[in-house]
Amino acid sequence: ELKVEQNPLFLSMQEGKNYTIYCNYSTTSDRLYWYRQDPGKSLESLFVLLSNGAVKQEGRLMASLDTKARLSTLHITAAVHDLSATYFCAAMIKAAGNKLTFGGGTRVLVKP
Amino acid sequence: EAGVAQSPRYKIIEKRQSVAFWCNPISGHATLYWYQQILGQGPKLLIQFQNNGVVDDSQLPKDRFSAERLKGVDSTLKIQPAKLEDSAVYLCASSLQRASRGIQYFGAGTRLSVL
Repeated sequence: ELKVEQNPLFLSMQEGKNYTIYCNYSTTSDRLYWYRQDPGKSLESLFVLLSNGAVKQEGRLMASLDTKARLSTLHITAAVHDLSATYFCAAMIKAAGNKLTFGGGTRVLVKP
Repeated sequence: EAGVAQSPRYKIIEKRQSVAFWCNPISGHATLYWYQQILGQGPKLLIQFQNNGVVDDSQLPKDRFSAERLKGVDSTLKIQPAKLEDSAVYLCASSLQRASRGIQYFGAGTRLSVL
């Protein structure tokens, strides 16, 4: 059974500094997703990582995938208040019908 | 392009009552998912439809939960009777059948409180 773990669970950030969220998964997966969720809102897709060594960047967010280590990271550069949200990673195995297994989420709070 | 529509947004019921949620996926999306998100946790898949058929319902508590997708478009999720532990946000998502990246698009969810 695929299990996905994120850490930390909560991250208090200072504006302007850099931080990393880690996502470990237990078995070989075909794809790794990162989603953002604002309080009371739905999940917004950020990145899809398809292969080992994949790196995707959008603004201050950069996601990478190491399939050998079964690890994905979400790096935040020069944090700003607008990035306050909960971030989820999710792994997918195509042979399991494209089912997403989510991590528990990392709640990010960026303070001025 | 319209997103995934869900209703109602909020529902408060007493335990042992029944409740139903409705979802309209993005037009053309063959795959539809229902997730349960308990406060402070990641979403957990309850059931996945491919057009009209069920692909995966292994985590659906079938003694009380049921779901259907008529005509391969809209879907309803029902709980009967509800328990206190069913309090959660119920998210509907949809995706293209053969999308290479397999992105799932989520609705705003229905927040259920069981008293």
